[in-house]
This record gives sequence, structure tokens and C-alpha cells, in this order.
Amino acid sequence: AQSVSQHNHHVILSEAASLELGCNYSYGGTVNLFWYVQYPGQHLQLLLKYFSGDPLVKGIKGFEAEFIKSKFSFNLRKPSVQWSDTAEYFCAVILGGSQGNLIFGKGTKLSVKP
Amino acid sequence: DAGITQSPRYKITETGRQVTLMCHQTWSHSYMFWYRQDLGHGLRLIYYSAAADITDKGEVPDGYVVSRSKTENFPLTLESATRSQTSVYFCASRSGGRNEQYFGPGTRLTVT
Repeated sequence: AQSVSQHNHHVILSEAASLELGCNYSYGGTVNLFWYVQYPGQHLQLLLKYFSGDPLVKGIKGFEAEFIKSKFSFNLRKPSVQWSDTAEYFCAVILGGSQGNLIFGKGTKLSVKP
Repeated sequence: DAGITQSPRYKITETGRQVTLMCHQTWSHSYMFWYRQDLGHGLRLIYYSAAADITDKGEVPDGYVVSRSKTENFPLTLESATRSQTSVYFCASRSGGRNEQYFGPGTRLTVT
């Protein structure tokens, strides 16, 4: 079955450190890719998305992600994290030819120490 | 306010009881979804609906029933709640195509 893997369960960083969260998917066809963020006690919000074109996409709050088709990856990056980035981050994919349902990874919890 | 709302936000119920979680969206989105979020599992799709009166099973549909008589509402019913259904439930919606989904605030359900 198609799946999405997020390599890190919990990441702890100090403020100003750089962030990279890994995401890999297992599907050989066309995909749409998403990163969602869930701040403590809140609902999921879209950070960024990739449908086609430039594989480097920029999202809100200084986040970006790079789609590398050959590696089936869509890693999330931020050059300098802030305490307010403490949240859980979910990678998700829509498979080409599907009804458009999101398949989520299990999430990565990010804790940023002030 | 416009958007997607869920009610109740918190619910405690007993094993064996029927409980219905409500979801309402004001965008007239054709697609609506129900997910459950559990520690270590991320979000898993329970049911989805492509339009009024069209519903289909997701990854974990057992023990749940949905209906969609109106485009804006998508209630989720647990016919006989079990402890394993203790979870946070999120409703989402999107317009046609493979666009982004918008999520509601969630319902935290505890089954005792």
C-alpha cells in the first residue's frame, strides 16, 4: 500500500538553528505533496504545497520544501527556527488518479528551546 | 463566521452509547472528510464524501456511519462507542480537483 514516511518522531532544536524534516512517499506515479502544521491544541493548517513546476516551493512563515522526484522525497526546511515554530508537522500526499484523498505521515513533533 | 466548524469540541461518553459528531462548512465545498488522529498514527481517513448523498469508506471505517443529505453538513456517528474510538476527530473539506483540504478545529472524544 502507498505510504508516507516521516523519519523523525521528535526533533528538539534551539532557537536560530536550521531545520530539516524528512518526508518520503512510496508511489511511482504523479503526486501532489503537502506539509501541514498543527500548533498545540489547534487544527491543521497548510504550510505549503507542491503540484507541479519548480520543485522548490516556499510556504508561510519562512518554510520551504524541495521535491526530489528521484528520491521520492519532499523535505521541509527552515533556515532559522523560532520558539513559535514548536508544533507537530505532517507530510501528506495525494496520489495521481485517486479521488484526491490525503495520505498522511505519522507526524514529526518539533520542540524549539528558547 | 465562515469556514468549517465542528461540534461538540469535547465529548465524554460511555462504552456502547451512540454518539454523533457534527461538521459544518460554509464554502459549499463538494468534498468532505473525517479523520481520526491518534498518537503514533498521524491522521487516518475514516470516511469521505464527494457530494451530497455520495459517501465512501476510508482507511478505518469500522464502527462508524456517515451521511450527507446536505452539501454543508457531514455528521459522523459512532453507533456503539468502544474505548478504541477514543481519539481526536477532524473534519475537512475541499473544492473539486486535488486541491488543499481545510480542517476544522477537531472534536476530542473520550469513551469510558
